[in-house]
Amino acid sequence: SQQGEEDPQALSIQEGENATMNCSYKTSINNLQWYRQNSGRGLVHLILIRSNEREKHSGRLRVTLDTSKKSSSLLITASRAADTASYFCATDSNRGSTLGRLYFGRGTQLTVWP
Amino acid sequence: ETGVTQSPTHLIKTRGQQVTLRCSSQSGHNTVSWYQQALGQGPQFIFQYYREEENGRGNFPPRFSGLQFPNYSSELNVNALELDDSALYLCASSPLPGRERTGELFFGEGSRLTVL
Repeated sequence: SQQGEEDPQALSIQEGENATMNCSYKTSINNLQWYRQNSGRGLVHLILIRSNEREKHSGRLRVTLDTSKKSSSLLITASRAADTASYFCATDSNRGSTLGRLYFGRGTQLTVWP
Repeated sequence: ETGVTQSPTHLIKTRGQQVTLRCSSQSGHNTVSWYQQALGQGPQFIFQYYREEENGRGNFPPRFSGLQFPNYSSELNVNALELDDSALYLCASSPLPGRERTGELFFGEGSRLTVL
């Protein structure tokens, strides 16, 4: 399976602290994305990093990608209670037979306490 | 600009029944993908539609079928429902033509199906 796996499965921090989530995957990719999901609702795209990029920033988010280790990390700085959600990494495939398909991990449940 | 909308939001069926879930893609998006998300799991790709044709399929049996209409809206049909079909079904649209690299997906809020 190419499915990404996030680590840790659950993370609990105080407001103002930084949250770091990691993702590992198994096969070559074109890009890696991070999504957020509030409980039982739809997924919201956070950031996309291409395989030729090593780091990307968007507001309080910082994503890194290490294709040699097949891993990525998502850092949320100065976390807020509203950041409480599940976070998923998703990879595509550079294999032509699976165009248009994203592979999601099981997610990291982040809880930010006020 | 309207986002991706799905209906119904919740529904309950019994084993053996059939269900149809509907999705309206975001304005200007011509590719629609369907995902199944079981409780505590990540979304699993069911299939994708581009220009009214299936454009890739995940590891789901033939009783999972779909349609895409000329206005790019889509339906997911599941026949002979099983207990394990209980899940959140997510529709996602994309502005990319289906035969290019996957980019950002825009998800609806999902349809939560419970099979008793």
